Amino acid sequence: GDSVTQMEGPVTLSEEACLTINCTYTATGYPSLFWYVQYPGEGLQLLLKATKADDKGSNKGFEATYRKETTSFHLEKGSVQVSDSAVYFCAQDYNQGGKLIFGQGTELSVKP
Amino acid sequence: DAGVTQSPTHLIKTRGQQVTLRCSPKSGHDTVSWYQQALGQGPQFIFQYYEEEERQRGNFPDRFSGHQFPNYSSELNVNALLLGDSALYLCASSSLQLKEQFFGPGTRLTVL
Repeated sequence: GDSVTQMEGPVTLSEEACLTINCTYTATGYPSLFWYVQYPGEGLQLLLKATKADDKGSNKGFEATYRKETTSFHLEKGSVQVSDSAVYFCAQDYNQGGKLIFGQGTELSVKP
Repeated sequence: DAGVTQSPTHLIKTRGQQVTLRCSPKSGHDTVSWYQQALGQGPQFIFQYYEEEERQRGNFPDRFSGHQFPNYSSELNVNALLLGDSALYLCASSSLQLKEQFFGPGTRLTVL
């Protein structure tokens, strides 16, 4: 069945370090792909999205490119800040507005 | 513009009891989805409501039921609570046109 797999956390980085969180998916079709962020005690916020192959989503310095050939959607940021500390979820939406399928989440902790 | 709101924030129940959680969608949204997020896991899709009918359903038992009202707000009901039902329950709203799902802060359910 359709699924999303993320690299396991927690990930601990120093401020201004580079970030990559790996995400791969399996799908029978061509889903839209998303990264959501969850700050402590809060719900999910959409960070970025891509709806077709080779699209690049970007927001707040984060980027991810939809790679159909490797079925991947890795999240990257060139210089992380303490305020980026949160749990990051990769997700796919095969039905275009239907159910979202999430990965297990990757906790990021950024130290000053 | 109020976002997605959920009530209550926290709830404690005992095994075998029944619970009702409530969600008000973002203004202009007509579709509500419910997710269960166990501790340390990604959200799992329960079901989605549109035009007061269940449009899609995830792999959850019939103990989980829902309702959507004419004003698009929604309820999630869980009967015969089990310890394993302890989780954060997230509501997300969207419109059939724009499809992006906006999440509420969640209801933390603890079953003792």
